[in-house]
Amino acid sequence: DADVTQTPRNRITKTGKRIMLECSQTKGHDRMYWYRQDPGLGLRLIYYSFDVKDINKGEISDGYSVSRQAQAKFSLSLESAIPNQTALYFCATTADTGELFFGEGSRLTVL
Amino acid sequence: QKEVEQNSGPLSVPEGAIASLNCTYSDRVSQSFFWYRQYSGKSPELIMSIYSNGDKEDGRFTAQLNKASQYVSLLIRDSQPSDSATYLCAVSQTSYDKVIFGPGTSLSVIP
Repeated sequence: DADVTQTPRNRITKTGKRIMLECSQTKGHDRMYWYRQDPGLGLRLIYYSFDVKDINKGEISDGYSVSRQAQAKFSLSLESAIPNQTALYFCATTADTGELFFGEGSRLTVL
Repeated sequence: QKEVEQNSGPLSVPEGAIASLNCTYSDRVSQSFFWYRQYSGKSPELIMSIYSNGDKEDGRFTAQLNKASQYVSLLIRDSQPSDSATYLCAVSQTSYDKVIFGPGTSLSVIP
């Protein structure tokens, strides 16, 4: 089993729908991240959390929200999806070194 | 100014040559630097981390850091077709801080 698991792996939805992407990890790391990847733009940070009580906005948090339900779980929500949120989303975790371990990605298409 | 910049490429090198990938960053207090490799359709994986000025070697890979010039590079010796991927530079102020990525450089190694 993967150390960092994302669900769903693929999702097609319509404009205005609420979407939740879930991430769970078995590495025991306190820090978890959500990134978005678009062609030519690399990985852009949406939100990050350094422990269950700590949530921080990243570069592009508008239109997104997160929930850190437990040390091992970090969910990303799109309250009202729009087409320009079509992208590949990655969850990642890290220990104290800053070296990131990524999930396999969730591909979201908003029609 | 973007925080982390890379040449987008594509960079093409013949098999057996040295591939040189470059990255500049804007935050002078950055202390932790990472190179990730991402194959098409896959999640990024860590290749190298470097924290001190100078060179760090790991097999065919050498990371070079110059904090005064705010510059970090990755050299791949004896390039192989299997090295064809996108290489992402990532930076954080400390190993305890958020990690910001550059847009990535696409490398193609021609047999």
